[in-house]
Amino acid sequence: GAVVSQHPSRVICKSGTSVKIECRSLDFQATTMFWYRQFPKQSLMLMATSNEGSKATYEQGVEKDKFLINHASLTLSTLTVTSAHPEDSSFYICSTDTQQETQYFGPGTRLLVL
Amino acid sequence: QKEVEQNSGPLSVPEGAIASLNCTYSDRGSQSFFWYRQYSGKSPELIMFIYSNGDKEDGRFTAQLNKASQYVSLLIRDSQPSDSATYLCAVQTGAGSYQLTFGKGTKLSVIP
Repeated sequence: GAVVSQHPSRVICKSGTSVKIECRSLDFQATTMFWYRQFPKQSLMLMATSNEGSKATYEQGVEKDKFLINHASLTLSTLTVTSAHPEDSSFYICSTDTQQETQYFGPGTRLLVL
Repeated sequence: QKEVEQNSGPLSVPEGAIASLNCTYSDRGSQSFFWYRQYSGKSPELIMFIYSNGDKEDGRFTAQLNKASQYVSLLIRDSQPSDSATYLCAVQTGAGSYQLTFGKGTKLSVIP
């Protein structure tokens, strides 16, 4: 399967600051990447679909101005949580679309907003 | 609205037994079905995928699909304590669309 990395793995920030999370596809050129959020004891919720060279597609209820997604290359997508608040504290996971089998997930980024 | 339903559990089985995990989905147009395992604090890892009706075996794991009943299951034979995790069922709908809809997961505990 595809190898996906995320950075940072864990971040703590103050309320009102912005946090950038990187998702890299290490062995596959990913035209499409997906960003998920998972709250404790909940399932994965798709936030947006990131397309290389074009605007991301956001799911209903996800604020595109708050969660900025950039997919500037075939191996890198970034998610920036702007003006983070405690309710944004969650586990953020990206995945790549291999166009063959299924999605392979990065290790996730745990965000804690104080 | 596309829905994927799983029993949240916890499902407890003794070591060496067969664990049976079930999943139903609402969208009849669903084409591909996946089982992921997620350990606490970690991201999901793919166990198996199945596209066609019937059974698909991979080691101790068997996925079963019945599209008429909109039902997919995962059997784990000879369950081990290391199998203790949350198992997520995911469904992919529509050709050309690689989005997955996830169930809430079933927590499995294998008792030594």
